[in-house]
Amino acid sequence: GDSVTQMEGPVTLSEEAFLTINCTYTATGYPSLFWYVQYPGEGLQLLLKATKADDKGSNKGFEATYRKETTSFHLEKGSVQVSDSAVYFCALSDRKAAGNKLTFGGGTRVLVKP
Amino acid sequence: DTEVTQTPKHLVMGMTNKKSLKCEQHMGHRAMYWYKQKAKKPPELMFVYSYEKLSINESVPSRFSPECPNSSLLNLHLHALQPEDSALYLCASSQDRGNQPQHFGDGTRLSIL
Repeated sequence: GDSVTQMEGPVTLSEEAFLTINCTYTATGYPSLFWYVQYPGEGLQLLLKATKADDKGSNKGFEATYRKETTSFHLEKGSVQVSDSAVYFCALSDRKAAGNKLTFGGGTRVLVKP
Repeated sequence: DTEVTQTPKHLVMGMTNKKSLKCEQHMGHRAMYWYKQKAKKPPELMFVYSYEKLSINESVPSRFSPECPNSSLLNLHLHALQPEDSALYLCASSQDRGNQPQHFGDGTRLSIL
């Protein structure tokens, strides 16, 4: 079945540092890929998405490129802020799966210190 | 601001109580979802509704009973819950086409005494 693996946290960074969170996936079909962010006490927010190979999703300074050859969708941000402290989830949705189900990675907690 | 609204934000109930969680969206989405999220874990899918019909039940115990009265509303009825059911319950919605992103509410934090 489908699966998503992302690096375990917590990831602790200083403000203005470069952030990378690795995400790899396994899927039998043609998945779309997503990054969601969850701030403390809140639900999940869609951060960015990519629907086909070589697509680059971007939002709020975050970027991720859909790499079919390496089955990866790594999240990057060039200069993090304290407000980026959150849990980040990589997820996929396979159009062959019923009900538009999302498969999530385990989540990566990011802590940005001033 | 989230476009999926969940009420209440917090709920404390005893194991013999009956309560309901409510979810509302006005984005015209025809697929709606219930998830359970434990601390430091990703959300776990419970139920999926498509065009107001239950399409997926992930083997959820019968003490959780979903209901979709119309295309904008989703309820989760709770009865005789156990302490291990304490969690954050998230509602989400999406267009009912493959690979569309889901939009989440802020959740209801449920505590079972």
